[in-house]
Amino acid sequence: DGGITQSPKYLFRKEGQNVTLSCEQNLNHDAMYWYRQDPGQGLRLIYYSQIVNDFQKGDIAEGYSVSREKKESFPLTVTSAQKNPTAFYLCASSINQVMDNQPQHFGDGTRLSIL
Amino acid sequence: AQTVTQSQPEMSVQEAETVTLSCTYDTSESDYYLFWYKQPPSRQMILVIRQEAYKQQNATENRFSVNFQKAAKSFSLKISDSQLGDAAMYFCAYQKGGGSQGNLIFGKGTKLSVKP
Repeated sequence: DGGITQSPKYLFRKEGQNVTLSCEQNLNHDAMYWYRQDPGQGLRLIYYSQIVNDFQKGDIAEGYSVSREKKESFPLTVTSAQKNPTAFYLCASSINQVMDNQPQHFGDGTRLSIL
Repeated sequence: AQTVTQSQPEMSVQEAETVTLSCTYDTSESDYYLFWYKQPPSRQMILVIRQEAYKQQNATENRFSVNFQKAAKSFSLKISDSQLGDAAMYFCAYQKGGGSQGNLIFGKGTKLSVKP
């Protein structure tokens, strides 16, 4: 079945440590996204990528970095510069169709906590 | 800046009854899309329904329908014949049109409980 796979499901970070969240999709979607969800909040966009080797900052990109070397993969690194990383992280993907926004499909998420 | 407001943090409905979740948004754009997503306890975000702003007809997906009032910038979700499996967080979301694939802006969500 086609879908989006996020791993790990739970992740713990020590102070000063960088951690990387994995997101893989086999939907052949061009566009991929990373969102952060805090309790009582909606999702906020961290980074997005419309095509391989290209990505743009979202609303809360500080302290995060991404890469898009393959169409199927869009890993998110939470750096030590992100002082409040504890949150639920969701990856999404969509067909990149000009002039017609296609809905985004989401993975199951990764919960990141600080040790 | 565009904003999405869900004024009902929590709602409750009796099984088999109908419930309406409210959503208002603010934008100066004329081309945009609106979505309702469902997030059950498993935390996966599931698309419920999608509405193009240029379409006057309200979108419908089985028991789910919307009341899209463009002038009032209102986009409510009606769930008919509520089922226990409908219990979840529901998020309203806005996205600028024209093929822009970023900036899906979410409201804070409404927690829906379904009573047997």
